[in-house]
Amino acid sequence: TQLLEQSPQFLSIQEGENLTVYCNSSSVFSSLQWYRQEPGEGPVLLVTVVTGGEVKKLKRLTFQFGDARKDSSLHITAAQPGDTGLYLCARSNDYKLSFGAGTTVTVRA
Amino acid sequence: KAGVTQTPRYLIKTRGQQVTLSCSPISGHRSVSWYQQTPGQGLQFLFEYFSETQRNKGNFPGRFSGRQFSNSRSEMNVSTLELGDSALYLCASSLGGANEKLFFGSGTQLSVL
Repeated sequence: TQLLEQSPQFLSIQEGENLTVYCNSSSVFSSLQWYRQEPGEGPVLLVTVVTGGEVKKLKRLTFQFGDARKDSSLHITAAQPGDTGLYLCARSNDYKLSFGAGTTVTVRA
Repeated sequence: KAGVTQTPRYLIKTRGQQVTLSCSPISGHRSVSWYQQTPGQGLQFLFEYFSETQRNKGNFPGRFSGRQFSNSRSEMNVSTLELGDSALYLCASSLGGANEKLFFGSGTQLSVL
């Protein structure tokens, strides 16, 4: 059972375009994490959002946590081929992470 | 500082066999957790160890087991392998606090024939 719903499942865009991926749940979370996983590698933590309404920026990546702390989004500006990968949201609870199914992003040169 | 090291990188087994996977955490990290990743189910939590004690366990059958040694290295074992056990098995380490950052290894790709 996926407590975190991610959309879209797949996204293919041209270099230079913008994209947004979403992570939603019916439950309230104390915090939410975003990871990126490249083929053949483990996930790498990008950011943790904690406060409702919080916005964090990491270079061309902007992360938002919904006011009600039930949803989050990741926006990439001017995507580059190096942004290609599987983007995962996850919540932490009792020393374990529960992941969404992920969004596979492909940025074409 | 060396990252999380998982061995072997690839493994091919047949149904009914058993397998042991190894994970060496980042130096100083006392928590090791294991995850299974498949195209159909995504990333699923298996178990987490801290100072040789299992603190949490996911919803997997008893064929999946793990342990942690005094040097924080961890192993997981899968007995009586089934075709559905084919997956990427990922290990992650952290300092061990409730919301500490996890660092993942590159995984062991297990294929069961």
